[in-house]
Amino acid sequence: DVKVTQSSRYLVKRTGEKVFLECVQDMDHENMFWYRQDPGLGLRLIYFSYDVKMKEKGDIPEGYSVSREKKERFSLILESASTNQTSMYLCASSFVGRGQYFGPGTRLTVT
Amino acid sequence: GDSVTQMEGPVTLSEEAFLTINCTYTATGYPSLFWYVQYPGEGLQLLLKATKADDKGSNKGFEATYRKETTSFHLEKGSVQVSDSAVYFCAQQNTGNQFYFGTGTSLTVIP
Repeated sequence: DVKVTQSSRYLVKRTGEKVFLECVQDMDHENMFWYRQDPGLGLRLIYFSYDVKMKEKGDIPEGYSVSREKKERFSLILESASTNQTSMYLCASSFVGRGQYFGPGTRLTVT
Repeated sequence: GDSVTQMEGPVTLSEEAFLTINCTYTATGYPSLFWYVQYPGEGLQLLLKATKADDKGSNKGFEATYRKETTSFHLEKGSVQVSDSAVYFCAQQNTGNQFYFGTGTSLTVIP
C-alpha cells in the first residue's frame, strides 16, 4: 500500500512564525502536491513538484514556499504565518494516470 | 479550461437506500477519472478510478462508469450504510498530469 505521511496532525503557531510542514511518501512517486482545504472552498493547489529540486506554483502560492531535496520528501514552508493561513493542509503524491494518494492532513491553527 | 463539477450536498439518506452522486467533467483530451472519499478529520482516500471510456471503477460496493459521450462519472451504491457517511470528491487527471477536483459532496446516512 502507498503510504504518505505528514509530520503533524495538529499544529498551533503564532502569527509571524516560520512554519514547516513535512510530507514523505514511500512509493517512489515522481509527483508531489500540497493543497489546503477550507470549508466551502474545496481543495486548492498551493505548489506541486514533478521531480527533485523542481517546483511549480499552483493556484494559491502567495505566502508559501516549498522544498524538494529528495524524491520522497516535499516540504511546505510558511515564511511568516498569518491567521488567514489557518487551514487543513493535505499532501499528495502520484504516478501519471493512477490518481493521487493523500496523507492524513495537518490541521494548522495560527493565533 | 479543464474542470470537474459535482452535485452539491449535503445528501442525507436512510440506511440501505440507493446512492447517486453526479459528476461531470470538461477536458480537452481523455483524462483519467477518480472518486475520493474523506472521512471526518482524515485525508482523502482513493475510492475508485477509470482511465478510459466505458471503464467501470468499483470498490467497497461503489461503482462509477466513464461515459465519454456525456462526459460524466457518476458515483453509485446500491445500499448505503452508516459507515459510508463522508465527503466524496470527483476528480480528473488530464493528459498534462494536472488534477482537478470537484468541491465535494457530503453524505450522511441515518440508521
